[in-house]
Amino acid sequence: QVQLKESGPGLVAPSQSLSITCTVSGFSLTSYGVHWVRQSPGKGLEWLGAIWAGGSTNYNSALMSRLTISKDNSKSQVFLKMNSLQTDDTAMYYCARDGSGNSPFDYWGQGTTLTVSS
Amino acid sequence: DIQMTQSPSSLSASLGERVSLTCRASQEISGYLSWLQQKPDGTIKRLIYAASTLDSGVPKRFSGSRSGSDYSLTISSLESEDFADYYCLQYASYPTFGGGTKLEIK
Repeated sequence: QVQLKESGPGLVAPSQSLSITCTVSGFSLTSYGVHWVRQSPGKGLEWLGAIWAGGSTNYNSALMSRLTISKDNSKSQVFLKMNSLQTDDTAMYYCARDGSGNSPFDYWGQGTTLTVSS
Repeated sequence: DIQMTQSPSSLSASLGERVSLTCRASQEISGYLSWLQQKPDGTIKRLIYAASTLDSGVPKRFSGSRSGSDYSLTISSLESEDFADYYCLQYASYPTFGGGTKLEIK
């Protein structure tokens, strides 16, 4: 069955960078795209960006200067990298599959918590 | 950016009651809308996509509809497992979410 699972550092100091991994199973990253979404108390749910099956990416314009999304198809992993972290980047970070056709965000990971604090 | 205004922000209802949640889009989204359910442990599940198409395995008491720029999620008869947070999501342009509805037991 389709599964996505996020993993990350949990705690990062301000001004540092972050890398979160989404490991997928039950489908191929060569056939489906993956989105990144975060949820914080102050801003609710926020789309961060996506990487498509062919490897192209789209980013939230407000964050794109700090974000990089990449993937390793052979390892079924998608990576979110964010630099210059601030306290308001504290959030739960989710990955979600982009389903085929008019069906994005069909499956979600359980999320990984990130706290930005010194 | 397309803004999604979701109402109500919270709702208290009883088992068996019929409830409706609404999202209004700031621009035309042509039915490119999903409804998501989030449980207290953070698990997110998509219930509906393309405004009214029920995801596989989702109980038929859930339904989605559209009237102009207003999109609604209706639960026909609340069951205990339905008490959760609900969000709309538009994907006509880069995705944006409604502010959420917290559905609580009365």
